[in-house]
Amino acid sequence: DQQVKQNSPSLSVQEGRISILNCDYTNSMFDYFLWYKKYPAEGPTFLISISSIKDKNEDGRFTVFLNKSAKHLSLHIVPSQPGDSAVYFCAASDTGAGSYQLTFGKGTKLSVIP
Amino acid sequence: DSGVTQTPKHLITATGQRVTLRCSPRSGDLSVYWYQQSLDQGLQFLIQYYNGEERAKGNILERFSAQQFPDLHSELNLSSLELGDSALYFCASSVAAGGQPQHFGDGTRLSIL
Repeated sequence: DQQVKQNSPSLSVQEGRISILNCDYTNSMFDYFLWYKKYPAEGPTFLISISSIKDKNEDGRFTVFLNKSAKHLSLHIVPSQPGDSAVYFCAASDTGAGSYQLTFGKGTKLSVIP
Repeated sequence: DSGVTQTPKHLITATGQRVTLRCSPRSGDLSVYWYQQSLDQGLQFLIQYYNGEERAKGNILERFSAQQFPDLHSELNLSSLELGDSALYFCASSVAAGGQPQHFGDGTRLSIL
């Protein structure tokens, strides 16, 4: 049973436009969410996170929105740049469980077209 | 550069063999996590160590084991290897047992022939 789902395997966006990556989760115990970016032959790089006590967190061009009732989060990248082309992973954690292990989605490959 | 070092980068071996993957966490990080990424799969949590002690276990096979040493580096041992064990193995570290975010190394690609 996949507890974190990224239903779009890929997304193409024009440079300068907004990229919106979506993520759904099923485990209501998840209370901390992260987005990672991954380039080929490299490990995932942390981008931005959000706690369940918030519904929005912003860091420069990246904003994460959390809708707890819908068990849905999204990552907005504005404006999109060619260097943003990568695979983006959504991850979730149940901090009350004490281990902080991350449960990952399968990723969305973002292509930003110049 | 995340500061997490994994060696080797690539490993090719045969079925039935045993391998050891090594991870050095970021300076100051006490917690180490191991993840497996198979083809078409997201990263799957295997095991966590905090300051030398096992903290949490995921879907880690009995053929796999890990440890964290006093200098905080960690090793993941995979034995009786099967074709299905071919995957990318990532190590991540964080400051505390529950510290976030986790910072990942570049992984070890294991190929079983």
